[in-house]
Amino acid sequence: DADVTQTPRNRITKTGKRIMLECSQTKGHDRMYWYRQDPGLGLRLIYYSFDVKDINKGEISDGYSVSRQAQAKFSLSLESAIPNQTALYFCATSEGNTGELFFGEGSRLTVL
Amino acid sequence: GQSLEQPSEVTAVEGAIVQINCTYQTSGFYGLSWYQQHDGGAPTFLSYNGLDGLEETGRFSSFLSRSDSYGYLLLQELQMKDSASYFCAHDNYGQNFVFGPGTRLSVLP
Repeated sequence: DADVTQTPRNRITKTGKRIMLECSQTKGHDRMYWYRQDPGLGLRLIYYSFDVKDINKGEISDGYSVSRQAQAKFSLSLESAIPNQTALYFCATSEGNTGELFFGEGSRLTVL
Repeated sequence: GQSLEQPSEVTAVEGAIVQINCTYQTSGFYGLSWYQQHDGGAPTFLSYNGLDGLEETGRFSSFLSRSDSYGYLLLQELQMKDSASYFCAHDNYGQNFVFGPGTRLSVLP
C-alpha cells in the first residue's frame, strides 16, 4: 500500500460543482501539502499544514480551501470548480527539515 | 518574488553524463532539492543540498553554490530509464518548497 494515498485518482466534473480531493498518509508526518501541476509550470503550492491547527496559504490558494481532519488526513476542496482548475493535483508529506517531500500518486481533475 | 530557472529540455545519449542547471532568486533560502518525475507518475526525491558543495548518491550527484544562487544535478552513465522530467525546488524558510518549471531529459540509444 502507498504511504500517501489520494482519492479520487481521476475526476471529471462540470463548472460550478463542488469537488473534494482527499489525501491520507501512513508515514506519521506532521507536515502535509497540496500542489498543483500544469505543463511547463512545475508544481505550485496551494496550501500546507504543519498540524491540525496550523494551515497556511501557498502561492495559489484563491479558489481552494483545505481541511486537516487529523494528522493523517488533509483534504482539498474546490467550492465552485472552474475550467482553469483543470490540472494534476498532488498531495505530499514531509518530516521536518530533511528537504524531502513524499508525494501521493496524484489526482487528475478535469473541469468542463 | 521567488523564482527558479531550469532549461526546458536536455537530450543526451545512453552512457553519457548530463548536467541540469538550476538558478534561483529567492528569499528565505534554506536548501535545494531535486526530484525526478516520469510521465504519468509522481515526483520522487533524488537529493538535497542544505550546504554548499557536492552530494553524491550513486549515479546522481547534486551541487549547490549559495554565493552564485546556483545548483545542478549531474547524472552519470545515463540509462534509458533516466528519461524523465527533473525539478529543482528550494526549501523556503524550512516551511515549504518552491519548484522550478522542470527540465525534460531525453536519453537516446
